[in-house]
Amino acid sequence: DQQVKQNSPSLSVQEGRISILNCDYTNSMFDYFLWYKKYPAEGPTFLISISSIKDKNEDGRFTVFLNKSAKHLSLHIVPSQPGDSAVYFCAARTKGGATNKLIFGTGTLLAVQP
Amino acid sequence: DAEITQSPRHKITETGRQVTLACHQTWNHNNMFWYRQDLGHGLRLIHYSYGVQDTNKGEVSDGYSVSRSNTEDLPLTLESAASSQTSVYFCASSVGTGRTGELFFGEGSRLTVL
Repeated sequence: DQQVKQNSPSLSVQEGRISILNCDYTNSMFDYFLWYKKYPAEGPTFLISISSIKDKNEDGRFTVFLNKSAKHLSLHIVPSQPGDSAVYFCAARTKGGATNKLIFGTGTLLAVQP
Repeated sequence: DAEITQSPRHKITETGRQVTLACHQTWNHNNMFWYRQDLGHGLRLIHYSYGVQDTNKGEVSDGYSVSRSNTEDLPLTLESAASSQTSVYFCASSVGTGRTGELFFGEGSRLTVL
C-alpha cells in the first residue's frame, strides 16, 4: 500500500517555463513533507520541506504547496532551468513517530528542454 | 567537510553469496538508514538505527541485516544474495528529533546478483 504517490513518472518542460510536480498521500499523521532531487549516479539531495501546519513554503525558484484537505502537495519550479533536469522524490514523515523516518514516493523524472 | 561514504560503489555477485555494503558518516549523526531504489518503487526503507546497538526493520527487511557497533558505521549485509536484491542501495543519516526529517544520502552502491 503506497502511502506517498507520485502518479507522473515523467514531465518535460521548456526552459524558462514553470515545472509543477505533484504528490498525493494517504496518511493524515504525516507532519512534514520533503522534496528530494536526484541526479544519475548520485545520492538524493534535500531540496525543500514544509510542515503540515503550513500551506506554502518558498525558497528561491522552488515553492512547495500543501493542500491538507486534498492530501496533496506540489513543487513549483519557476523559472525552470536545464540543470533542474533530475528525478524528484516526494517524502513524508509520520507525526510523533520515530525520528526522521521518511516514506518516499516513486519519483518523477523532470526534463527541462533548452 | 563532513560526509557520508558508501563502498563498494559497484558490486557483482552470485546468487547465494554473502555481501556486505559499507556505510560511513563523519557528521556524528545518531540516525542512519538503508534504502533501496528500484524502478516503479522509489526509495524503500530496509533497516535503520537510532544509535549504537540499536537496529530496526524497515518495510523491505527480509534477507538483510545491519549492525551498529559505533556511531559512524552501519554496514548492510545480504546473508544469501538473491536476484531480487539486484538494486541500487543508498545509505543516509540524520540528526535526532526536533528537525524536519532531512536525510543526508551517500552516493549509492549498485549491486547486481547473477
